[in-house]
Amino acid sequence: AQSVTQLDSQVPVFEEAPVELRCNYSSSVSVYLFWYVQYPNQGLQLLLKYLSGSTLVESINGFEAEFNKSQTSFHLRKPSVHISDTAEYFCAVSASGAGGTSYGKLTFGQGTILTVHP
Amino acid sequence: DADVTQTPRNRITKTGKRIMLECSQTKGHDRMYWYRQDPGLGLQLIYYSFDVKDINKGEISDGYSVSRQAQAKFSLSLESAIPNQTALYFCATAQGGIGELFFGEGSRLTVL
Repeated sequence: AQSVTQLDSQVPVFEEAPVELRCNYSSSVSVYLFWYVQYPNQGLQLLLKYLSGSTLVESINGFEAEFNKSQTSFHLRKPSVHISDTAEYFCAVSASGAGGTSYGKLTFGQGTILTVHP
Repeated sequence: DADVTQTPRNRITKTGKRIMLECSQTKGHDRMYWYRQDPGLGLQLIYYSFDVKDINKGEISDGYSVSRQAQAKFSLSLESAIPNQTALYFCATAQGGIGELFFGEGSRLTVL
């Protein structure tokens, strides 16, 4: 089974400042990793994902995350945030190997509320 | 139109009532999921289905049941609603086993 811990429940930051949202996971098997974003009164949308290959993955709106296998982390970063980035962010993990009870299921962290102030 | 549609979007009911939340999708995905979201707890998996004949319990299935009426339809039922089932419920779909999910906009349920 997998588990995900998001280390900060709330992160306030000023506009144009950098931000890091921290995520650690636990798994006995290889994993796929995801960040989802939830804007107010909306469902979750995929922000970025790590499946294989380069450990640094990027989104179209300037976020990036780096898969660190030794530290079992997948922290989300953005060098300069905008007011429109205010949302709740969820880190999630699924087992990458076919078969087993965890295959095809996504386990979510508790969420981090990012609030960008002007 | 949304690819994953949930109805109703909001529902207020009383303890002991039977409630059904419905989900339909136009993405053609084989896998469908029901999650529950509570503040500070993230999303917890209630039930999931990998095809029409396959139904599986998730982490918190007690008090819930599901029906996969067709590839595109997956309903969640609360046979006798209780106040601690007050939450935001999400339906999601996926194709294959990677775990990349596509979510509906959610159904907010309040049990008084």
